[in-house]
Amino acid sequence: RKEVEQDPGPFNVPEGATVAFNCTYSNSASQSFFWYRQDCRKEPKLLMSVYSSGNEDGRFTAQLNRASQYISLLIRDSKLSDSATYLCAVKREYGNKLVFGAGTILRVKS
Amino acid sequence: DGGITQSPKYLFRKEGQNVTLSCEQNLNHDAMYWYRQDPGQGLRLIYYSQIVNDFQKGDIAEGYSVSREKKESFPLTVTSAQKNPTAFYLCASSLRAISSNYGYTFGSGTRLTVV
Repeated sequence: RKEVEQDPGPFNVPEGATVAFNCTYSNSASQSFFWYRQDCRKEPKLLMSVYSSGNEDGRFTAQLNRASQYISLLIRDSKLSDSATYLCAVKREYGNKLVFGAGTILRVKS
Repeated sequence: DGGITQSPKYLFRKEGQNVTLSCEQNLNHDAMYWYRQDPGQGLRLIYYSQIVNDFQKGDIAEGYSVSREKKESFPLTVTSAQKNPTAFYLCASSLRAISSNYGYTFGSGTRLTVV
């Protein structure tokens, strides 16, 4: 089993839709959690951190479920510009390193 | 503006050749990392360094080497021993301790192709 797993998608949604992705992690002692956005042939860019109590940034909401060992990203009112690959990242228990999922592809269509 | 600079953006390597990818940061970050990304796969850690003159192997270090002689610089050499080097290479940096508030900052990447 991979340390961090994501549904590769693609998720094809119309503009204005709400879409959610999950990311599961295998190590229960994992610490910090992040969502990154990666555009085609570009580097990943930090979208948001995921806090234990959940957090929101505009149309984006991130949540952490430690009991079931997954994090989620909810995007409301999808825009064409949201089309990208969304990577989740998890800090290992030991060491200052992040482990990344393979990413979920989102395509928002007009 | 602070950031991470990777060069070159595109690199072509002949069979049996060593090549070096440059990564420079002016964020005053202590930690630096090299990842490799292949299509449909997540980022895989090659090497990382928490402080100058110290570095550790990541999950796929075979066929690669690094140095950390300066805080700002963390070059990666892809040696001829790396049998499948064609990939997108990403350099990142972070504060010494990753927390919920601070993750990685990535460079724009180098696409390496074996010809």
